[in-house]
Formats: sequence, structure tokens, C-alpha cells
Amino acid sequence: ETGVTQSPTHLIKTRGQQVTLRCSSQSGHNTVSWYQQALGQGPQFIFQYYREEENGRGNFPPRFSGLQFPNYSSELNVNALELDDSALYLCASRRTGANYGYTFGSGTRLTVV
Amino acid sequence: QQQVKQSPQSLIVQKGGISIINCAYENTAFDYFPWYQQFPGKGPALLIAIRPDVSEKKEGRFTISFNKSAKQFSLHIMDSQPGDSATYFCAATDSGAGSYQLTFGKGTKLSVIP
Repeated sequence: ETGVTQSPTHLIKTRGQQVTLRCSSQSGHNTVSWYQQALGQGPQFIFQYYREEENGRGNFPPRFSGLQFPNYSSELNVNALELDDSALYLCASRRTGANYGYTFGSGTRLTVV
Repeated sequence: QQQVKQSPQSLIVQKGGISIINCAYENTAFDYFPWYQQFPGKGPALLIAIRPDVSEKKEGRFTISFNKSAKQFSLHIMDSQPGDSATYFCAATDSGAGSYQLTFGKGTKLSVIP
């Protein structure tokens, strides 16, 4: 198993800009979820993709969007960045049927200035 | 709306002592309760988990106690070691919602001092 790899590890953006974060999941992990972890807080569910379709979404505005690709990679896109978007963004993946077996990546630390 | 409340926010325990972290939930549809361990610069890693049909689960030095009527569950770390120093998150999920999304507590930073 190669685990879940996220890139970049750190990123600084200016308010109003757009950002794309990337995640590469393990082979066979066709469900991917994204979480936002603000400093000193627990992760919050953003959305989930299964077979390239969004099948669950948390309380995040539409400027947070995602894509999932057939090669087990995925993207999180955030438009019109706000200062409060500064956080650690975590990708988690699992195999179909392993409903509770999430593997998390180490995250991307996004700072919005 | 915080559906999983975790306490304490931070905890200092001497080596060999017992670390206890508590969580309470509100959503009675939750049916799976995992604990995650997170080291600085890393993502959360599953430590141990329990379903509400059992009151206790033990794996090595880690034990979850679950009280369904009180809607509370706790993590006990026996013989705590400096290597256990990390942030611990309780979480819950509702399998009936379909996405198996995790609802996390705010975390407990554990420091085990030699």
C-alpha cells in the first residue's frame, strides 16, 4: 500500500484567489472525502466523491468544489479565497465496502493572506 | 452546531499513568464511534473504534468505554508512554446517511511526561 499522498504540503494564497489541492489515493480506494481542519479544531467534512460523482456534502459553500478521476486521484478547488479558509485540508480515502476504513493523507496547509 | 463534544482540551499525564478522554454526542443516529490519533504534520490515523451494541472494547493499552443511554464514550490509555503524546479526536458516523462521513470532536492534546 502506498497510502494517501497530498500535494502541495504548504501553500500561501491571497484573498480572492483560487486554489487547487491534489490527492492521490491507494489503488482500489474509489471513495474519497475531503476535510477542513482549522487550527486547534477537529476536521470538518467538506464533501465526498464516489466513482467521480459527489455523494455527500457538509456545510460548505459552493465555492468549494471537487473532482475525482478514474486513476484514484482527486482535487479540491476553492474559489474566491477568504481569510477563514486558512486551514489544513485533509484527503481521506477508502475501498467500497470498507465503510469505516478511512486512510487520511498528511494534508495541505493553506494560508490565505 | 457541535454534534460531538470532547473534553478535556489538553491533558498532561506522567509516564505509566492512565489518560482518559471523554466525548458526548447528540445525534442518536450515530452508530460507529472511532478514535483517531494525530501527530504534528500528519493526518489522523484510526486508533480504535466501537459500535453501540457493546459497552467496552480493548486493544492493547487502549480501551473505549461506551454508555449508550448517556450518549457518552471515552478513551482510556493505560500505562501512558511519551510516544503517546499526540492529539486525539473522537468521532462518530451515521451509516444510515450513506456517505459514512465522520463528525469529529475538537480534539485533546495529550502530553505524557517522563
